Amino acid sequence: QAVLTQPASLSASPGASASLTCTLRRGINVGTYKIFWYQQKPGSPPQFLLRYKADSDKQLGSGVPSRFSGSKDASANAGILLISGLQSEDEADYYCMIWHSSAVVFGGGTKLTVL
Amino acid sequence: EVQLVESGGGLVQPGRSLRLSCAASGFKFEDYAMNWVRQGPGKGLEWVSSINWNSGNIVYADSVEGRFTISRDNAENSLYLQMNSLRAEDMALYYCVKGVGGEYYHGMDVWGQGTTVTVSS
Repeated sequence: QAVLTQPASLSASPGASASLTCTLRRGINVGTYKIFWYQQKPGSPPQFLLRYKADSDKQLGSGVPSRFSGSKDASANAGILLISGLQSEDEADYYCMIWHSSAVVFGGGTKLTVL
Repeated sequence: EVQLVESGGGLVQPGRSLRLSCAASGFKFEDYAMNWVRQGPGKGLEWVSSINWNSGNIVYADSVEGRFTISRDNAENSLYLQMNSLRAEDMALYYCVKGVGGEYYHGMDVWGQGTTVTVSS
């Protein structure tokens, strides 16, 4: 089982909110990790969106709109990227990342379609 | 403005070597960890290697351990990746990525545009 699992795709309407999940493998407690989120548009490198460990330990990337926020669902052992007020420009691939056992682990990415 | 410019990619035969470089500007390079992340054609992100601010801590992905060597020259504001014994599965766009702090486990934020490595006979 992969360390980080993301749904391959998600669709949402303009103006709505989208919740992208990053589920940690059983036995890896989401509460102990800083989860990083990146956005990648076609033909461009990834861009850092935010880091989230807890409400008391979080950081939004430089220039990233406050429509992007992070959270965790402890019951699901998952990190969450919430995008509110979806815009067409939010259509992109989104990757989560953690440091685990002295290695970087990326999720497989979620392709968000705004339609 | 933080800028990371990769170079050194190209077409190489399986089993041969290649050295990637990353020229950094717009920040105090010597204070930050640095990373290499790659992305195969149509694939997701794959971490390759990370180095802390003073080269005292270095880590590699299992897939490249023993074949790739990361290094940095703080005087030249440069990051390097020496890639030996290249395989078809190493073919990817290689990104240089700035760390958030001096140690690699602080995470990464700014990405370069990448340099393409093609491994083919």
